[in-house]
Parts: sequence; C-alpha cells; structure tokens
Amino acid sequence: EAGVVQSPRYKIIEKKQPVAFWCNPISGHNTLYWYLQNLGQGPELLIRYENEEAVDDSQLPKDRFSAERLKGVDSTLKIQPAELGDSAVYLCASSQGLALVETQYFGPGTRLLVL
Amino acid sequence: AQKVTQAQTEISVVEKEDVTLDCVYETRDTTYYLFWYKQPPSGELVFLIRRNSFDEQNEISGRYSWNFQKSTSSFNFTITASQVVDSAVYFCALSGGIGGSNYKLTFGKGTLLTVNP
Repeated sequence: EAGVVQSPRYKIIEKKQPVAFWCNPISGHNTLYWYLQNLGQGPELLIRYENEEAVDDSQLPKDRFSAERLKGVDSTLKIQPAELGDSAVYLCASSQGLALVETQYFGPGTRLLVL
Repeated sequence: AQKVTQAQTEISVVEKEDVTLDCVYETRDTTYYLFWYKQPPSGELVFLIRRNSFDEQNEISGRYSWNFQKSTSSFNFTITASQVVDSAVYFCALSGGIGGSNYKLTFGKGTLLTVNP
C-alpha cells in the first residue's frame, strides 16, 4: 500500500515569493493533516481536514497561509508571501477515520528554505 | 493542556548496547493514546506503536519494547542490541481519546539517537 505522498521534497525561494505544497494521502483515509516542524522540535498541527471540510484551522496563520482539499483527497498548502521564519519542514499526514483514535501516518515532508 | 516531555535531547551509544528513551506526559483526559514515531534522516515520521490509557501491558516487538506506567505518567521505549540503522530522532506523542478535550497529537521535542559502529 502506498504511503502519504508529498511534493516537492525540497523548495528554496526568496522571501515574499509564493510557494505551494501538495499532499496525496493514503487511499481511503478521510482525515488529512498539515503539520509544521521547526528544527529541533516536534511537529505542530496547522490544519485538519475531515473529507473536504477544514474542521480545525485554529493554528493556521491565515494572513499568509491557505489550504484546500477540494475533492476530499489531495490537498494543497500555500504560503503567500513567504517570510524568512517560514523556513521549516511541512509534513502531511492522514488517518482512516475520526482523528480521536486513529493512527496518523506521515509523508516525507517538504523542506522549505526561504532566503 | 497536554504536554509531552522528552528530557533526553541526544543519546549516543555503541552498536549492540541497549538504550532507553524516556517520555513523560501530562493530560487531564481519562482516555488518551500514546505514540512513538521514528524520524530517520530522510525526514519521514514512521509510526512505531500506539497504546491506549487503559492498556498498561508492556509490549515487545523484536528488539523494541515499551514500558507504560500510568502511576508515573511515563511511556518509555527501549531498543535492545541497538544497530546503526536505529539512528534517528524518536518522538513520543499524546492525543486525547473519546471524550477527551484534545484530539490533536501533541509531540515531545524528540530524542536524537546515534548508534555508532
């Protein structure tokens, strides 16, 4: 069974430029998560989707970050404009059912460097 | 609020040594779940184990074993006869269960394990 797929794996951009990350969850997984992982830290949740609905985006900086999951499968996370402090790893995860008890499976992440 | 503490930032051992990674958690939920994930240099978080708060039995899987003690709010992870391929960052994580106040996975800061040949 294929795991969570993310692209690109690496991205280098200049500050104030836009950037987008793509995630394809494990087939059949209804819940999708985007996490931010700073160097030396554990991942922190940005947004959680159940099917196509964003059920928790309280930690998403909405002035510059946006996300969508139009058909309840793939998802895109966008930053516009990027700032130096956005340099981090962006992880996507998915789980089969309700977030409360299901194990989350993670993709390889996108490592973003903002210059 | 939920909190996970991994006091060991880095551990370095020689191959074949046993090593224990500590995890202490805080939660007000009566039902909750604990997890361990491995993050090798490739960056992907690899799921290792999930335990619920009602199951305090220790678990062994090959060279890996986990010791869950509610009395001390700890969920420690032991690797027996460590190998170079075990080198990675290991994260302990906590989520609220059914009826819990926080469904989110709360991660510790991770422990970097280096196994030297």
